Amino acid sequence: TQLLEQSPQFLSIQEGENLTVYCNSSSVFSSLQWYRQEPGEGPVLLVTVVTGGEVKKLKRLTFQFGDARKDSSLHITAAQPGDTGLYLCAGGVRRNTPLVFGKGTRLSVIA
Amino acid sequence: DVKVTQSSRYLVKRTGEKVFLECVQDMDHENMFWYRQDPGLGLRLIYFSYDVKMKEKGDIPEGYSVSREKKERFSLILESASTNQTSMYLCASRGWASGTGETQYFGPGTRLLVL
Repeated sequence: TQLLEQSPQFLSIQEGENLTVYCNSSSVFSSLQWYRQEPGEGPVLLVTVVTGGEVKKLKRLTFQFGDARKDSSLHITAAQPGDTGLYLCAGGVRRNTPLVFGKGTRLSVIA
Repeated sequence: DVKVTQSSRYLVKRTGEKVFLECVQDMDHENMFWYRQDPGLGLRLIYFSYDVKMKEKGDIPEGYSVSREKKERFSLILESASTNQTSMYLCASRGWASGTGETQYFGPGTRLLVL
């Protein structure tokens, strides 16, 4: 059974601080997706990474896929209250099979 | 702009009622999924479908059934609703795109309360 371990589970920081969320596995994934979910809403796709070592930036968010495609990280620079939410990582295995989801990191950014 | 829509944002039903949750995607995706999300338990897969009229059980299929008569529509059916099916239900669809590979999008969710 493939698992994705996300850490930390909870994170509460002050506005302006930097943070990193990790997504780790012993399995290799063909792709890795990151989502943000706000209370009462569905997860919204932030990024998909598919190549080992790939780095993608989305404004203040930087996503990295590990060289071996077993892990990923999300780094937020100068966090803002609007970044508050549940961050989920999900690994793709192969076509026509479900994604493997991490349990999520609940981020709270305090003004 | 990709879109996955769900028929209701909020539903209140009585124990024993038959409940239909509808999901429609406009991206011509082959794969569609139904999850439920509960505090502390994360996302749990109920059923998925990789083609019209095809369905596969996920991790927690008991008490649910699905229907996929058309490619764009995937329905979740609670045959006889019970209070332990009170949850947030999320539909998703996934397809392949050049540059990003297979990418999955979620609908806005249906919050179901069974009394």
